[in-house]
Amino acid sequence: NAGVTQTPKFRVLKTGQSMTLLCAQDMNHEYMYWYRQDPGMGLRLIHYSVGEGTTAKGEVPDGYNVSRLKKQNFLLGLESAAPSQTSVYFCASRPRLGLAPRMGTYEQYFGPGTRLTVT
Amino acid sequence: GESVGLHLPTLSVQEGDNSIINCAYSNSASDYFIWYKQESGKGPQFIIDIRSNMDKRQGQRVTVLLNKTVKHLSLQIAATQPGDSAVYFCAEMGIIQGAQKLVFGQGTRLTINP
Repeated sequence: NAGVTQTPKFRVLKTGQSMTLLCAQDMNHEYMYWYRQDPGMGLRLIHYSVGEGTTAKGEVPDGYNVSRLKKQNFLLGLESAAPSQTSVYFCASRPRLGLAPRMGTYEQYFGPGTRLTVT
Repeated sequence: GESVGLHLPTLSVQEGDNSIINCAYSNSASDYFIWYKQESGKGPQFIIDIRSNMDKRQGQRVTVLLNKTVKHLSLQIAATQPGDSAVYFCAEMGIIQGAQKLVFGQGTRLTINP
């Protein structure tokens, strides 16, 4: 299994440009998440999905949109990039509680990250 | 609001020594906690988790202690190795936008000195 993969690994955007970050997982996980990580800070939840066709807002959703058209993919879109969106973006996934390899765990499996710079 | 934080942002220990990373949480209703390790340029990796009905859980060279009385969580790493150098995050199950989600602390950078 490749686990959780993210595309691209790096990107530089100009203010106002748009782009889509792709997250893919091959573990048949129901839940998927998008986080951003800024220097000296922990991970902050942007949006998440509890299943194919569903999405919900997290802690910092403004300026981002998401889609989960296929169970294995979770897309994060920036319609009009701003310098404040310069960050490292991580995608994560997890199975439904009870289906995880270890009982009762909320362990999320993370991708390698996408480093985005908006100038 | 609820928060998860760490007492020390950086920690340096000698190779072979034990290390303790601390985490304070403020949501007394949290019933699940998890520790992640993040090496430079990589995504976080699961280390160990614990539920609030336990006060200690052990893994391979790692132990998590939970003190609900003072709302404190710690990660102990025994016989540290160079590969243990990383940023360590604690997270609690909290409420974001009305739903249960993992809320991450800011992280502690652990450096293992040879």
